[in-house]
Amino acid sequence: SQQGEEDPQALSIQEGENATMNCSYKTSINNLQWYRQNSGRGLVHLILIRSNEREKHSGRLRVTLDTSKKSSSLLITASRAADTASYFCATDGAAGYSTLTFGKGTMLLVSP
Amino acid sequence: DGGITQSPKYLFRKEGQNVTLSCEQNLNHDAMYWYRQDPGQGLRLIYYSQIVNDFQKGDIAEGYSVSREKKESFPLTVTSAQKNPTAFYLCASSIFVSGIGNYGYTFGSGTRLTVV
Repeated sequence: SQQGEEDPQALSIQEGENATMNCSYKTSINNLQWYRQNSGRGLVHLILIRSNEREKHSGRLRVTLDTSKKSSSLLITASRAADTASYFCATDGAAGYSTLTFGKGTMLLVSP
Repeated sequence: DGGITQSPKYLFRKEGQNVTLSCEQNLNHDAMYWYRQDPGQGLRLIYYSQIVNDFQKGDIAEGYSVSREKKESFPLTVTSAQKNPTAFYLCASSIFVSGIGNYGYTFGSGTRLTVV
C-alpha cells in the first residue's frame, strides 16, 4: 500500500520561527491530509488538500501539493511552544474506496 | 458534543489473555478504523469497517478480531495469538465524500495496552 514519508524525522526551532515539514508518497491520490498528535493523545485533523489543488491555507498553516513530484509540504508560520507535537501526513488513494495511509511523522519541538 | 470515545485509557494484559478495547462514536459516521502505533513506526491499520455488519482486514490483522453490530460501536479484541500486543491503539471514524474521498478522520484519545 502507498505510504507518506515525512521529512525531517525531527525538527527543533525557536518560537517565532517557521517550521516546514515535507511528505512524499508513491501512487495516485484523491487527497492528502495533515494531522497533529500531542504526546500520548489521538491525532487531530489539520487540513486536507485535494489532488487538483496546489496550495491551501488555514490560519498559520500552509500546505502545498505537487502531484508531479508526489510530494507535499506543511508550513507552520510564527511557531509557538504550543505547536510542539508530531505531525503526520496521510494519503487517500485514488482507486475507489480506500483507507488513509499514514507516514511515520515529524516530531516538532518549539522552544520558548 | 460529538466525538469518539475509547476506553480504557490504560490496559494491562497477562500472557495468554484476550482483551477487548472499546470504541464508540456519536458522529453518525459510517466508517470506523483501528490503528496500532508503535514508536517510530507511525500508524498501521488493523481493521476497518465501512458499514454495520461488515469489516475488512488491514495491514496487520493477525491476532486481532473486531465486530460491527451497531453503527456507533467498533470494539477490537486483542487475542492471545497476537505475540507482541504492547502498543498504543487508536480508533477513528470518518465520512466518505464523493469527489473528495475520505474526509478527515476523527480519532479517539487512544488505549495504551501493556503485556505484563
